[in-house]
Amino acid sequence: RKEVEQDPGPFNVPEGATVAFNCTYSNSASQSFFWYRQDCRKEPKLLMSVYSSGNEDGRFTAQLNRASQYISLLIRDSKLSDSATYLCVVNGRTMDTGRRALTFGSGTRLQVQP
Amino acid sequence: DVKVTQSSRYLVKRTGEKVFLECVQDMDHENMFWYRQDPGLGLRLIYFSYDVKMKEKGDIPEGYSVSREKKERFSLILESASTNQTSMYLCASSFLQGGTEAFFGQGTRLTVV
Repeated sequence: RKEVEQDPGPFNVPEGATVAFNCTYSNSASQSFFWYRQDCRKEPKLLMSVYSSGNEDGRFTAQLNRASQYISLLIRDSKLSDSATYLCVVNGRTMDTGRRALTFGSGTRLQVQP
Repeated sequence: DVKVTQSSRYLVKRTGEKVFLECVQDMDHENMFWYRQDPGLGLRLIYFSYDVKMKEKGDIPEGYSVSREKKERFSLILESASTNQTSMYLCASSFLQGGTEAFFGQGTRLTVV
């Protein structure tokens, strides 16, 4: 089982739609959670951190459910420029010594259409 | 602006060659990482380092080694390149605390023929 799992999509939505992505993680000891955005042929960049109480940044809302071990990202009023792959990231432990390192999901592809 | 710079955007190497991928960061970050990214598999951690001369295996270290002689530089070495190491390689850096943002280089697309 992958440590971080996401639906690969693609999610094809019209402009103005609301879209939600979920991500599950297997390590209950994980402490930090993030959403990264990756544009085609570019490097990943931090979109937002995910806090226990949930947090919002403009049209983007992130939530964490520790009991069920999932993280969500909600995008309201989708724009064409939101088209990208969204990566769920968990601060997990490496298999070697257990030291923490960021573990990435495979990503969910979003295509916003005019 | 934080900068993580990888030495090459594209590389083509022959099977059996020794390959060096270099990464330099200018933010005085303690942590540095090497990932590879393949379609459908996402980013997978190869090795990381949390201090000079310190290294730890990630999830897929086989066939790779690393070197960190200076804080700002982290090198990934393919001792004997094979075709299944054809991939996008991404270097990243972050501060030591686990909950901080990681900054990525632009990636190196390596093709082994």
